[in-house]
Amino acid sequence: DTEVTQTPKHLVMGMTNKKSLKCEQHMGHRAMYWYKQKAKKPPELMFVYSYEKLSINESVPSRFSPECPNSSLLNLHLHALQPEDSALYLCASSQEGTEETQYFGPGTRLLVL
Amino acid sequence: GESVGLHLPTLSVQEGDNSIINCAYSNSASDYFIWYKQESGKGPQFIIDIRSNMDKRQGQRVTVLLNKTVKHLSLQIAATQPGDSAVYFCAENSSGTYKYIFGTGTRLKVLA
Repeated sequence: DTEVTQTPKHLVMGMTNKKSLKCEQHMGHRAMYWYKQKAKKPPELMFVYSYEKLSINESVPSRFSPECPNSSLLNLHLHALQPEDSALYLCASSQEGTEETQYFGPGTRLLVL
Repeated sequence: GESVGLHLPTLSVQEGDNSIINCAYSNSASDYFIWYKQESGKGPQFIIDIRSNMDKRQGQRVTVLLNKTVKHLSLQIAATQPGDSAVYFCAENSSGTYKYIFGTGTRLKVLA
């Protein structure tokens, strides 16, 4: 099974709201990723967790806060977002993290009003 | 034929023809490459990968070619089918890093 699941599929939030995106994988992968994808653009890396520790933060604004509660789960906490943060948020995982296939979830379509 | 729009290059091919999608990668130190297919409203789906110690790798109906001299990657799809219509991305990775860099993508349109 090479499935990465993400919830919710769609999310609409106001600029003062707090919400969370969730990602789960049961492949025993130890690296997990958050990407942001705008329409007609490639995915842009936001965060990488390796063995439940934050390894990469691509200078993402603090209104995005990642969390890795265990090796199967990855959350992205959202607070005080801006309309330009509207995008598809993709989660991915890989076995160890380097020179390996990344498996992507279906994404969460986020709209910030 | 191939056209470059405002944001995403598009390749249009007739059903049954072969497709070739190209990618120029950025980092000469990259040694692992992946091709992804992304259909509308879905996450990227793994198609095929190749390591830098190879110059060709074949899968089912797909072939990836790697030319490290000119930092070029291509994806060949044989007997293109309507279900192949999607956006295709290449991604590169360097040994020891967690960062995967994606190319700009190419939209493949299969004409009936």
